Amino acid sequence: QKEVEQNSGPLSVPEGAIASLNCTYSDRGSQSFFWYRQYSGKSPELIMFIYSNGDKEDGRFTAQLNKASQYVSLLIRDSQPSDSATYLCAVMRSGANNLFFGTGTRLTVIP
Amino acid sequence: DAGVIQSPRHEVTEMGQEVTLRCKPISGHDYLFWYRQTMMRGLELLIYFNNNVPIDDSGMPEDRFSAKMPNASFSTLKIQPSEPRDSAVYFCASSSPGLAGGPRETQYFGPGTRLLVL
Repeated sequence: QKEVEQNSGPLSVPEGAIASLNCTYSDRGSQSFFWYRQYSGKSPELIMFIYSNGDKEDGRFTAQLNKASQYVSLLIRDSQPSDSATYLCAVMRSGANNLFFGTGTRLTVIP
Repeated sequence: DAGVIQSPRHEVTEMGQEVTLRCKPISGHDYLFWYRQTMMRGLELLIYFNNNVPIDDSGMPEDRFSAKMPNASFSTLKIQPSEPRDSAVYFCASSSPGLAGGPRETQYFGPGTRLLVL
């Protein structure tokens, strides 16, 4: 079983819609969760991180964490064509300093 | 700040040749990470350093790979001999120390080195 699993997509949504990206992780001891965005041919950049169960909002982005279900999601409201990218979910285990990344979900926002 | 700097940006070499990738982390960041990204396996951690000391190299695929960090502003990843299956994008990332001694949440990635081994 992979440490972090994501649906590779592609996920297509119309402009203005809500995009929902999902991620599951295998290590129940994981404590920190991250969403990175990677444009084609570019390097990953951090969008959000979350530690506690529940929702965390930052502008149009909301990260949701459910530790009991070992599930993390990212919602993008009012999706824009500029949001078209691959979104990488990453997890850090308790006591560790390194990240485990999923293979990413490719999102396309259609104008 | 110039961000994390990597060189070369592109490398094409023949099987059996030695390849050296270079990274300059952001000044003041004492964590440095080397990743490899492929379509099939995604982004994988190869090795990371803290204060120039290798902490976890369990991701290094085999003895053909080696990494060094001789000082706080420079690290190398070497592949000798290179093989076609080493073709990938290699990223270096750095982060500053957090409150509890571990790295801060944000890892800053360099632009990557695209390696093609023929």
